[in-house]
Amino acid sequence: DVQMTQSPSSLSASVGDRVTITCRASQSISNYLNWYQQKPGKAPKLLIYAASSLQSGVPSRFSGSGSGTDFTLTISSLQPEDFATYYCQQSYNTPITFGQGTRLEIK
Amino acid sequence: QVQLQESGPGLVKPSQTLSLTCTVSGGSLSSGGDFWTWIRQHPGKGLEWIAYTYYGGTTYYNPSLKSRITISVDTSRNQFSLNLTAVTAADTAVFYCARGRWFGNHVGLDVWGQGTTVTVSS
Repeated sequence: DVQMTQSPSSLSASVGDRVTITCRASQSISNYLNWYQQKPGKAPKLLIYAASSLQSGVPSRFSGSGSGTDFTLTISSLQPEDFATYYCQQSYNTPITFGQGTRLEIK
Repeated sequence: QVQLQESGPGLVKPSQTLSLTCTVSGGSLSSGGDFWTWIRQHPGKGLEWIAYTYYGGTTYYNPSLKSRITISVDTSRNQFSLNLTAVTAADTAVFYCARGRWFGNHVGLDVWGQGTTVTVSS
């Protein structure tokens, strides 16, 4: 199985901050990497697919980059609605696997 | 706009079989190429992929659960279902169904149900 490791596990930031979350795969997955946002009590929401492509309707302050084993999700200017948990997920092979999540909290 | 809705019992006894159904509305389950996926989330934990199926019958299971799970598709009702046998307290989780959609040669889970909480307890 491809293991996905996110860092940090939690992060405190303020509205307007630039934030970066990192995801590392245990083997090369090319760019088969998606990012999701999950708010408490809600289902995850697809933000980024193929490492860097923005899903329709997602604000442009979200961006993704990376290839191989190292990936990042960046939020350029945090908004109040961005405080949530973020997950990376590899779609390179089965079993599909997710990172453990990064909880983004208000400072 | 496609919507998914999970249904099933909220409480299951240990050793019994958990059966959940996902109803697809606003679109057809038999649309070519889409994956129909089950994922679960243990309380306060991350996401675990369970299985997905294509319309037409090809199914992929998480090896960690493969011996206990079955996915089926009912195109007449636009539903797909999950059966998980021999449940224990460790199967207590929120279960989500989701659509896997192709974006070029990449797949993303772009539509999710709201989730249904299943508790395993006697």
